[in-house]
Amino acid sequence: NAGVTQTPKFQVLKTGQSMTLQCAQDMNHEYMSWYRQDPGMGLRLIHYSVGAGITDQGEVPNGYNVSRSTTEDFPLRLLSAAPSQTSVYFCASSLEREGPLNEQFFGPGTRLTVL
Amino acid sequence: AQKVTQAQTEISVVEKEDVTLDCVYETRDTTYYLFWYKQPPSGELVFLIRRNSFDEQNEISGRYSWNFQKSTSSFNFTITASQVVDSAVYFCALSEVNTGGFKTIFGAGTRLFVKA
Repeated sequence: NAGVTQTPKFQVLKTGQSMTLQCAQDMNHEYMSWYRQDPGMGLRLIHYSVGAGITDQGEVPNGYNVSRSTTEDFPLRLLSAAPSQTSVYFCASSLEREGPLNEQFFGPGTRLTVL
Repeated sequence: AQKVTQAQTEISVVEKEDVTLDCVYETRDTTYYLFWYKQPPSGELVFLIRRNSFDEQNEISGRYSWNFQKSTSSFNFTITASQVVDSAVYFCALSEVNTGGFKTIFGAGTRLFVKA
């Protein structure tokens, strides 16, 4: 199993550009999520999904869109990048969406810089 | 509302010292899960432990141990005989569970430096 994969690893954008961060998992996990990590703030939940076709907002959803058309993939779209979105983005997945097996497995992260 | 506080921003110890990382949480739910994750300098996030709200037993895994006390809403993490490889950022996290899934809130993290 590759686990949780993210592409790209690094990305530089100009203000106003759009892009999609890719996330895939091959563990047949129901639950997937996106976090951003900023210095001194830990990880903050952007969006999450409890299964194909179902998504919901986390703590900091503004400026981001997600969709979940398959169990495996959970892309994060930045609609119009802003310097405040400069961050490291982590995708994670979990076997269960409600039960005790809800520890999350994280991807390697995408470091995004918006100029 | 959920909240996780890791008051120690950075801790520096010398190898072989014991160190305790503090975690205090807030939640209104009776069913919740607490986690510790490790982020080494390479940047990946590694799951260390999960504890549910109904199980207050302490846990020991090698040099790692965890003390969960509902009375003080704390879930502290102790590393015994620290090693240089323990140098990392450690995150405490809280998940509240509902029928729509769960949301996990992370603390700001504690950066641990272990010097040889």
